[in-house]
Amino acid sequence: GQQVMQIPQYQHVQEGEDFTTYCNSSTTLSNIQWYKQRPGGHPVFLIQLVKSGEVKKQKRLTFQFGEAKKNSSLHITATQTTDVGTYFCVGDTGRRALTFGSGTRLQVQP
Amino acid sequence: NAGVTQTPKFRVLKTGQSMTLLCAQDMNHEYMYWYRQDPGMGLRLIHYSVGEGTTAKGEVPDGYNVSRLKKQNFLLGLESAAPSQTSVYFCASRPLVSYNSPLHFGNGTRLTVT
Repeated sequence: GQQVMQIPQYQHVQEGEDFTTYCNSSTTLSNIQWYKQRPGGHPVFLIQLVKSGEVKKQKRLTFQFGEAKKNSSLHITATQTTDVGTYFCVGDTGRRALTFGSGTRLQVQP
Repeated sequence: NAGVTQTPKFRVLKTGQSMTLLCAQDMNHEYMYWYRQDPGMGLRLIHYSVGEGTTAKGEVPDGYNVSRLKKQNFLLGLESAAPSQTSVYFCASRPLVSYNSPLHFGNGTRLTVT
């Protein structure tokens, strides 16, 4: 079955440093979605990427979708304590079932 | 507009007991999903439904059953609970409008099996 791996599993940064998480799928994706889960909360949708090579920005967050549509990345510039949480990519093969990546937990030291 | 509502929020079961988790959505979404999340882990798909009266297995379906008798409700059943089913269970839904629609999550049910 489809597998979606994320690296790193955990990252601890000082406030103001940058952060990047990478997502790799074993199969080609129709689209990829990114979610953020705060401690004790539920996943909240951030963004969706559909086109090969697509790049989208949300303020300090930059999302990329690979040319082969099998990998993606999320980059946060100048992290803030409000960025704390776990970031998940979700691979959609167009077959209705959505597979979550293993997630990257971000801790930001003030 | 309540979105996705899960009940109960918390539950403690003894091994062998049964229970049903209820997920209700008021957004007229066609697709509904049940995920489980173990501590420090990602979400794993248990079962999902693409419409009323239809269900399908996800990654980890063993030990669970589901039903979607009404479009707005998706029930997850544990017939004989085991300690390995201790987890946080999330329900999610999304519309059929296109293949690229986000998941809307409930707040989760924290289940402990002793």
